[in-house]
Amino acid sequence: SQKIEQNSEALNIQEGKTATLTCNYTNYSPAYLQWYRQDPGRGPVFLLLIRENEKEKRKERLKVTFDTTLKQSLFHITASQPADSATYLCALETNSGYALNFGKGTSLLVTP
Amino acid sequence: GAGVSQSPRYKVAKRGQDVALRCDPISGHVSLFWYQQALGQGPEFLTYFQNEAQLDKSGLPSDRFFAERPEGSVSTLKIQRTQQEDSAVYLCASAYKTGEEETQYFGPGTRLLVL
Repeated sequence: SQKIEQNSEALNIQEGKTATLTCNYTNYSPAYLQWYRQDPGRGPVFLLLIRENEKEKRKERLKVTFDTTLKQSLFHITASQPADSATYLCALETNSGYALNFGKGTSLLVTP
Repeated sequence: GAGVSQSPRYKVAKRGQDVALRCDPISGHVSLFWYQQALGQGPEFLTYFQNEAQLDKSGLPSDRFFAERPEGSVSTLKIQRTQQEDSAVYLCASAYKTGEEETQYFGPGTRLLVL
């Protein structure tokens, strides 16, 4: 069955450092992969989409890589800030082509 | 502009009660999704509407779950005879149109607790 795995343990880093979150998947051949941010008591918010033919994508302090051979995406936040503290979710489309399958998410805590 | 809104934000139900959860999508959005998110898990797909048509209900966990979107805008997710395992956050998302790479905009969710 299709699986998406994200670091289950919370990631604690110091302000100013780079946070790196991992998303691994199995039994998928996704055309694209998405990253979302979720704050407590709120719905997920879309951050970035990367296509299978793109190795890397950047948006401000965010960088996503996509390695279809390793079946892995890495999500980086550079110059991290306490306001970046949240849960980050990786998502792939289901076979339907419209609904999303999400990983469990990785909780990030950035301390001053 | 206004985002996706959901009501109620919190609902406590006794086991066996019926509940109705409402979703107001972004105006003009064709696609509407319902997801269920258990504590510490990612959202899981329940059902999908394109306008008023329910095109996919493969994720609904049992026939106690029913969703509708009669006029292609507001949607209601109804759970009959609630069970404790139904306790979760129910998220609604809408998208401008159908198709891959279409960004989904999520509401804040309804947190359902079944006692």
